[in-house]
Amino acid sequence: TQLLEQSPQFLSIQEGENLTVYCNSSSVFSSLQWYRQEPGEGPVLLVTVVTGGEVKKLKRLTFQFGDARKDSSLHITAAQPGDTGLYLCAGAHNYGQNFVFGPGTRLSVLP
Amino acid sequence: NAGVMQNPRHLVRRRGQEARLRCSPMKGHSHVYWYRQLPEEGLKFMVYLQKENIIDESGMPKERFSAEFPKEGPSILRIQQVVRGDSAAYFCASSPLGGENTEAFFGQGTRLTVV
Repeated sequence: TQLLEQSPQFLSIQEGENLTVYCNSSSVFSSLQWYRQEPGEGPVLLVTVVTGGEVKKLKRLTFQFGDARKDSSLHITAAQPGDTGLYLCAGAHNYGQNFVFGPGTRLSVLP
Repeated sequence: NAGVMQNPRHLVRRRGQEARLRCSPMKGHSHVYWYRQLPEEGLKFMVYLQKENIIDESGMPKERFSAEFPKEGPSILRIQQVVRGDSAAYFCASSPLGGENTEAFFGQGTRLTVV
């Protein structure tokens, strides 16, 4: 079974704080995606990482793929209330395989 | 470039009726994935299809559920004789053909309520 774990499950912080959420697996993935989902909406793709050790930055968001391509982290600098949502990671093993999702980290940024 | 389109957005069915959920993938995408999400939970994989083929249906219940992706037209997720436990949000995603760096793009989902 290809399992993705995410931690923490819930996170509530004040506006302006920094945070890191994690996505871990015992499996190696050829690529890993991060999504954000708001209530009543579908997940929105934030980034895809494919190379072990890869770091991608998207404004205040920094994504890292572990060297062994089994884990990933998402760091948010100076969080804003608009960052509130469910952050999901999803892994693909290779072309033609379905995407496996983690259970998500539910982030709440308080003004 | 239109995104993944799902309809209806909301669907109410009585127990025992059939539910048909439609998904039109992004232009140029020939891979479709269906996921189910219960409130406060993550996405559970159901089925993965390419045009006219089911590639992986390991997440789909053996009874009452079926999916298709015909050569022409949208992908359909069909639930027969719905029960209250089928109430959930059903999301469809599509991805383009080819490449290891496959990315999936999601629709806004269909929220099924069984009464």
